[in-house]
Amino acid sequence: DGGITQSPKYLFRKEGQNVTLSCEQNLNHDAMYWYRQDPGQGLRLIYYSQIVNDFQKGDIAEGYSVSREKKESFPLTVTSAQKNPTAFYLCASSSAGNSYEQYFGPGTRLTVT
Amino acid sequence: QKEVEQNSGPLSVPEGAIASLNCTYSDRGSQSFFWYRQYSGKSPELIMFIYSNGDKEDGRFTAQLNKASQYVSLLIRDSQPSDSATYLCAVNDSGGYNKLIFGAGTRLAVHP
Repeated sequence: DGGITQSPKYLFRKEGQNVTLSCEQNLNHDAMYWYRQDPGQGLRLIYYSQIVNDFQKGDIAEGYSVSREKKESFPLTVTSAQKNPTAFYLCASSSAGNSYEQYFGPGTRLTVT
Repeated sequence: QKEVEQNSGPLSVPEGAIASLNCTYSDRGSQSFFWYRQYSGKSPELIMFIYSNGDKEDGRFTAQLNKASQYVSLLIRDSQPSDSATYLCAVNDSGGYNKLIFGAGTRLAVHP
C-alpha cells in the first residue's frame, strides 16, 4: 500500500532532550513537509523539502532541524532549544506535478515534561 | 502576514441537512484551494480541491470558489453523523515553494 508513515504515534520525553520523529513515504513524491498543530490552531509549517539534500525553513523553524538524504525519508529533530515542543506533529508529501495537493501521515503526538 | 480565516464553530446541523462551511483568504495571488477533513486525534485528509471560479461537485461535497471576493466554501449535502469533524481550508502561498496556508478549521457537528 502506498502512503506516508510516521513513527512513533505517541512520544514522551523529558525537557532538555532532543528527539527525532520519523517520516517515510513510498508515494514517490518529491516534496515533503513538517507541520505542527496545537489545539485550536491551524497547521504551522516547520520545514519543507522540494528535493533530496535540500530543505527550507518554514514559519516556525526555530528549535527544529531536518535532513533529506533520501527521497523517501524526511526526519524531524525537536531540539532542547524548542521552547514549547509539546504538540501534534504532521508530516506531508506532494508530487511535483500536483505540488499543492499535500497528503498527510498519521502524525506523532509529542509530550515533553 | 498571509492568512486564511474560518469560523471555529461548532457548526451544528441536523442529519440530512446541508452543512455550509466558509473560508476567506488574504493572498490575492492564490490559485489553488483545498478542503481537508480532520477527525479528532487524527491527521487531515484531503477531500476536495478547486482551482477555478465556480462550483466543483464530488458526491455529497461541493466546493465553491469566488476569487474576486477571496472566498471559498464547502457544502456537504445530506449530512451524516460521520461527517462530524473539523474541516480545514488551505490555499497555496503565491510566494512560491509549493507552500500551503491553513486556516484553523471549523468544527462541524451533525446530530441525529
